[in-house]
Amino acid sequence: NAGVTQTPKFQVLKTGQSMTLQCAQDMNHNSMYWYRQDPGMGLRLIYYSASEGTTDKGEVPNGYNVSRLNKREFSLRLESAAPSQTSVYFCASSAQGYEQYFGPGTRLTVT
Amino acid sequence: DQQVKQNSPSLSVQEGRISILNCDYTNSMFDYFLWYKKYPAEGPTFLISISSIKDKNEDGRFTVFLNKSAKHLSLHIVPSQPGDSAVYFCALSKTSYDKVIFGPGTSLSVIP
Repeated sequence: NAGVTQTPKFQVLKTGQSMTLQCAQDMNHNSMYWYRQDPGMGLRLIYYSASEGTTDKGEVPNGYNVSRLNKREFSLRLESAAPSQTSVYFCASSAQGYEQYFGPGTRLTVT
Repeated sequence: DQQVKQNSPSLSVQEGRISILNCDYTNSMFDYFLWYKKYPAEGPTFLISISSIKDKNEDGRFTVFLNKSAKHLSLHIVPSQPGDSAVYFCALSKTSYDKVIFGPGTSLSVIP
């Protein structure tokens, strides 16, 4: 039982490059989330999926897209990376809203 | 404008003493108040919660207090242990099924 897994752990991109961050959970949770963590800003919600087949914008969705591939997997795509997207990205899942289980994070640097 | 504020970015406490972490919020529509804990290079983990119908919830060494009229909650850790050194995020939710809004975090150092 791995919980929430994220790949990759680290990534360096050049401005304008694209990439997809992968997330999978094995807890049969309905809801999944993508957050970014920046110094002094806490965790800010990018997108979430309340159930398979649905996705909704969070607080900071600009520059990102998501896909809820199935109940287990929720990916985050950066189509054209910008230095402002340098951050640590966390995926989370939950059975009920507020108790969320987080992955270990992806540290992304955009130069 | 931040809806959740943790005005102390950092806190240092001696082992065995009490740690008090504070959180203020602006929107009175929140009904669930949470604390998450985060170690370096790991994801946050859920620690404790309280609903708006209560003013106190205890779980072992951790107690959360809620003052709805002041829009203030606090986390007490007694006694503090070196393993408690982490970043603590205050978080709020309007319902048990709603999105969670996180504060900026307070970094706690417990000195042996």
